[in-house]
Amino acid sequence: EAQVTQNPRYLITVTGKKLTVTCSQNMNHEYMSWYRQDPGLGLRQIYYSMNVEVTDKGDVPEGYKVSRKEKRNFPLILESPSPNQTSLYFCASSWDPAYEQYFGPGTRLTVT
Amino acid sequence: DQQVKQNSPSLSVQEGRISILNCDYTNSMFDYFLWYKKYPAEGPTFLISISSIKDKNEDGRFTVFLNKSAKHLSLHIVPSQPGDSAVYFCAASALGGATNKLIFGTGTLLAVQP
Repeated sequence: EAQVTQNPRYLITVTGKKLTVTCSQNMNHEYMSWYRQDPGLGLRQIYYSMNVEVTDKGDVPEGYKVSRKEKRNFPLILESPSPNQTSLYFCASSWDPAYEQYFGPGTRLTVT
Repeated sequence: DQQVKQNSPSLSVQEGRISILNCDYTNSMFDYFLWYKKYPAEGPTFLISISSIKDKNEDGRFTVFLNKSAKHLSLHIVPSQPGDSAVYFCAASALGGATNKLIFGTGTLLAVQP
């Protein structure tokens, strides 16, 4: 089954404690992206990757890091989480960034 | 600057009636538009799309209309069913453009009442 998986689905952590949210896709897509969803703000892009070892900032990259060492995986790293990073996070992949993207189930992160 | 706008945060419709969700955009370079549907605790799923060379695209109960001169698109759901209750996001992109990504609206929560 074609899918994008994310782990964990739910995470509660404290300010400053480094965390990683994993994302994996099995569709051999070159393009992968991370979004956050906040009330009244819709989906905003954090980082994206056009291919292995090629990553770039989206609209709200501050406080986040990513890596793309393999085509299927695109982890999101919060080196020092802060409460304003409490949000719902989605990973997505696509064969072309301007076309239909396939989304993971989401990770709800709470930073206290 | 919000390039894709969904001005109605919520919409309530009776089962069997038509649901009309609206979306406006400001960037005239956008030439591909999509609608996504999102249930609670799930990721958005692609619903329907339209290219700017068309003004209508239909898929079963779902029809998207594009008015390029008004920079406006709408999603019609006929007839509406309780299972259509979800958040709907519109998105836009400029194929081959400098902004090589999807720009999403803020979403509209549709509630279909039985």
